[in-house]
Amino acid sequence: GQQLNQSPQSMFIQEGEDVSMNCTSSSIFNTWLWYKQDPGEGPVLLIALYKAGELTSNGRLTAQFGITRKDSFLNISASIPSDVGIYFCAGQLGGGSNYKLTFGKGTLLTVNP
Amino acid sequence: GAVVSQHPSRVICKSGTSVKIECRSLDFQATTMFWYRQFPKQSLMLMATSNEGSKATYEQGVEKDKFLINHASLTLSTLTVTSAHPEDSSFYICSAKPLAGSYNEQFFGPGTRLTVL
Repeated sequence: GQQLNQSPQSMFIQEGEDVSMNCTSSSIFNTWLWYKQDPGEGPVLLIALYKAGELTSNGRLTAQFGITRKDSFLNISASIPSDVGIYFCAGQLGGGSNYKLTFGKGTLLTVNP
Repeated sequence: GAVVSQHPSRVICKSGTSVKIECRSLDFQATTMFWYRQFPKQSLMLMATSNEGSKATYEQGVEKDKFLINHASLTLSTLTVTSAHPEDSSFYICSAKPLAGSYNEQFFGPGTRLTVL
């Protein structure tokens, strides 16, 4: 099925550094979601974005819904070891019964203490 | 709130047997539940969309006779992998979209690791 272009694929950073990752799509989405997945577990919702241009924060996390509706980024500030995991973006058209999510390939984050 | 459970968390079965996986929304009712499959180091791939009381909608390339989905209530959906084979070994994850509210978030279960010998 269709996938989003998510980058980078992986990141190795030192504790305390800031991190940025993004997703782009060739088609428009009406909702962007960011999830974190730990090994052997299901994804956990971090941030949901519903309006083009929207900037939303959740603690050290900040995400933006691109103005063109074809992209989104996630920033993590002052990273800590427990930020390790795989981060996925997901786009959704929404409306009617079209609530399917299209996922990016994920960004593997490693934080060195 | 918004907790989704899956049972079992992991299952090992012999080739040719059928395996049923349950997905429950514990503290909310779900209009729609989704079933995903995830191979190691890969992203989640949607298999099917399940609406309570109606037939599931399968994604292209997913065999509906192989992966039977039943959505009996607003809190329970089941996925049955029929006549499982080693290539069906994977991590199966469900998600649920809450009935209430205007938001479109999906909340995911913890996943079920299926190993077919």
